[in-house]
Amino acid sequence: GESVGLHLPTLSVQEGDNSIINCAYSNSASDYFIWYKQESGKGPQFIIDIRSNMDKRQGQRVTVLLNKTVKHLSLQIAATQPGDSAVYFCAESNQFYFGTGTSLTVIP
Amino acid sequence: DAMVIQNPRYQVTQFGKPVTLSCSQTLNHNVMYWYQQKSSQAPKLLFHYYDKDFNNEADTPDNFQSRRPNTSFCFLDIRSPGLGDAAMYLCATSKGGNQPQHFGDGTRLSIL
Repeated sequence: GESVGLHLPTLSVQEGDNSIINCAYSNSASDYFIWYKQESGKGPQFIIDIRSNMDKRQGQRVTVLLNKTVKHLSLQIAATQPGDSAVYFCAESNQFYFGTGTSLTVIP
Repeated sequence: DAMVIQNPRYQVTQFGKPVTLSCSQTLNHNVMYWYQQKSSQAPKLLFHYYDKDFNNEADTPDNFQSRRPNTSFCFLDIRSPGLGDAAMYLCATSKGGNQPQHFGDGTRLSIL
């Protein structure tokens, strides 16, 4: 079946540095990808999405890169802030299946 | 603001005592989802409705059932909760197709 997985379970970065969170997927037919942020005690929150006809999409301080050749996407957060501390999940197409999640900790 | 609301935020029930969790939305989305999320794990889809069309995941226990009486409301019924059912239960909605989901803040279920 489809699976979406993350490379690293935890990531610690200094405040102000850039963060990169990676995700691998297995379904080459997937044509839509989403990143969610989940803060403690809250539901996942949509951050940014990308369709398979794009390689890169930018939002406010966030960029998602999609490499269809190796079935990999990444979330880049610029100038990471303490409020970015959360668990980040990637999901694909039908969004039924979430990756393990990466816990991002921002060190002041 | 349009949103997904889950009630209650915290629910305690006894082993084997039926419990119902509720979800409402003001987004008028076609699709509603129920997820189970255990500590330090990703949300796991239990089932979803596309309008009134119910879709159950193959590994969702028979103990779990759902109702969607109208577009705005969806319920999760756990007939005989076991200790292993203690978790956060998340409701989400979407327009369907390749559109992002909107999540509620979940109901944390504890089993005594």
